[in-house]
Amino acid sequence: NAGVTQTPKFQVLKTGQSMTLQCAQDMNHEYMSWYRQDPGMGLRLIHYSVGAGITDQGEVPNGYNVSRSTTEDFPLRLLSAAPSQTSVYFCASTGGGNQPQHFGDGTRLSIL
Amino acid sequence: RKEVEQDPGPFNVPEGATVAFNCTYSNSASQSFFWYRQDCRKEPKLLMSVYSSGNEDGRFTAQLNRASQYISLLIRDSKLSDSATYLCVVRTYKYIFGTGTRLKVLA
Repeated sequence: NAGVTQTPKFQVLKTGQSMTLQCAQDMNHEYMSWYRQDPGMGLRLIHYSVGAGITDQGEVPNGYNVSRSTTEDFPLRLLSAAPSQTSVYFCASTGGGNQPQHFGDGTRLSIL
Repeated sequence: RKEVEQDPGPFNVPEGATVAFNCTYSNSASQSFFWYRQDCRKEPKLLMSVYSSGNEDGRFTAQLNRASQYISLLIRDSKLSDSATYLCVVRTYKYIFGTGTRLKVLA
């Protein structure tokens, strides 16, 4: 049972580099979202998508891009990494309505 | 004002104690409510959904008060294994997390 799969699990970047965090789900969920979690804080919503071709901004979207070309995949792109983006990133999906979200294991990202 | 607010704690309680957490939300149009548990910055795991009539799952009871815009979680007979951070989640057209409440159950 794959559920929500995030890759990579760990990544170290240099300031200014770009990279894409991958998120894939095999539950045919329409709704997907990306969160970041900093030490001592809760999860903050970066971007979310209610279906293929539809994305919207969350609470902290600056510095991140997303696209949703398929139902299964929802990649998160860091355009020019900054030390302030050092965090743990979680991807989640849900079938919507009153259903809860299912989470991936997270990507731990350090930017030097 | 934050959309979803929780007391960060920590709540330090002895084994066997009863402990309650509250979570307030600002958007009266919120439609769904959940409690998640998170261990050591691992992925959050669903503890329970919260229904208008209140619901119980073993030692855990969740309630929703729409008039006052808060949800609550009651844990009875606390176990050492209940030590974790408890996150409330509120859904309008997006899912928003509270900052979490840390619970430590002491032997």
